[in-house]
Amino acid sequence: EMQLLESGGGLVQPGGSLRLTCAGSGFTFGSHAMGWVRQVAGKGLEFVSLLSVSGSTYFADSVRARFIISRDNSKSILYLQMDSLSAEDTAIYYCVKGRYGGSGAHWFFDLWGRGTLVTVSS
Amino acid sequence: EIVLTQSPGTLSLSPGERATLSCRASESVGSYLAWYQQKPGQAPRLLIYGASTRATGIADRFSGSASGTEFTLTISRLEPEDSAVYSCQQYGNSFTFGGGTKVEIK
Repeated sequence: EMQLLESGGGLVQPGGSLRLTCAGSGFTFGSHAMGWVRQVAGKGLEFVSLLSVSGSTYFADSVRARFIISRDNSKSILYLQMDSLSAEDTAIYYCVKGRYGGSGAHWFFDLWGRGTLVTVSS
Repeated sequence: EIVLTQSPGTLSLSPGERATLSCRASESVGSYLAWYQQKPGQAPRLLIYGASTRATGIADRFSGSASGTEFTLTISRLEPEDSAVYSCQQYGNSFTFGGGTKVEIK
């Protein structure tokens, strides 16, 4: 069974940093784009970042200068390093597996983890 | 940024009825449109991709269609377990999600 399991969420002060981890299993991790989508409580989904198999990275404008996405295919792990956090980053962060939807940068998300909660507050 | 506008905000229907959910894109995304179902306390689940292709294991009462920048998710015969929030996502130009439509079963 394919699974994604996030960890690393928690309470952090404004201006602080946090690193999220996503462990994949049940599929060939290194053969798929992987990413992060977040959701503020009671609100809609928001794309955060994606890392393709070739190493291309994509970010939401709101996090581009502050977040870094990386992966260790040997361990089937995806990371999200989040710096300079603010209250606006408070959300559940979901790890997603990208499925290629066509030539170019076209991915939709066919597997989601259960999410990890990030709370930015003093 | 491409904006996706979903309507209605909430749909309240009885079991067996037909649900029609709309997702309008602010500009063309081709057929690069997916639909997700999210139940309370759960992660989203992929229903439809490529505007009209059902994902693996999705019941055939769920169908998607497109006309220009207007996309529709139809649930032909509602069942109690279809109570959820449904969100669309475009992946034609970066990635954005709509605000969601809540489907309530009376």
